[in-house]
Amino acid sequence: AQSVTQLGSHVSVSEGALVLLRCNYSSSVPPYLFWYVQYPNQGLQLLLKYTSAATLVKGINGFEAEFKKSETSFHLTKPSAHMSDAAEYFCAVSDRSQAGTALIFGKGTTLSVSS
Amino acid sequence: DAGVTQSPTHLIKTRGQQVTLRCSPKSGHDTVSWYQQALGQGPQFIFQYYEEEERQRGNFPDRFSGHQFPNYSSELNVNALLLGDSALYLCASSLEFREMGQDTQYFGPGTRLTVL
Repeated sequence: AQSVTQLGSHVSVSEGALVLLRCNYSSSVPPYLFWYVQYPNQGLQLLLKYTSAATLVKGINGFEAEFKKSETSFHLTKPSAHMSDAAEYFCAVSDRSQAGTALIFGKGTTLSVSS
Repeated sequence: DAGVTQSPTHLIKTRGQQVTLRCSPKSGHDTVSWYQQALGQGPQFIFQYYEEEERQRGNFPDRFSGHQFPNYSSELNVNALLLGDSALYLCASSLEFREMGQDTQYFGPGTRLTVL
């Protein structure tokens, strides 16, 4: 069964600093992987997705993630943090072992950005 | 183009009651999935509807049931509410691509359910 582990429940950076949010996955089949962002009292917004094409995936708002099969990782990065990036970030894997397309989420990482 | 909409926004119920949550998918989407997000946790998959049938289900009891209508909108029903059912309930819609695999799931703003 697929699963996702997000390392670090809380990450704090200064404005302009590098953002690195870690995600490791477990999957018995080639995975589809996603990063979503959730702002307070809102639903989830897709940042980017990996679907077995290019291993370096570029998303919205300057975020990108690299799929590394050997490390079973899909870490999210952004070169320079903005105050508006403060939010909850979720990594997810698609459960492709069944007929449907359920998303299996990690527990999330809260990103704080200080000025 | 309207995105995924959910109603109501907030709901307060007491233990033992029943609740129905509603979801309208993004225009052109035919698949609806429901997730439960407890406070401080990631969303957990409840079930997915396609062609008006439940085709995939997560680890939730039978108290959780759903329905998809011919216009692709969906309902989530929860019977015999427990305190632990208090959560944000998220609906996501997507378009089925049989040959192209996983399509993106777009999420609604959620319904906040409080059980007292």
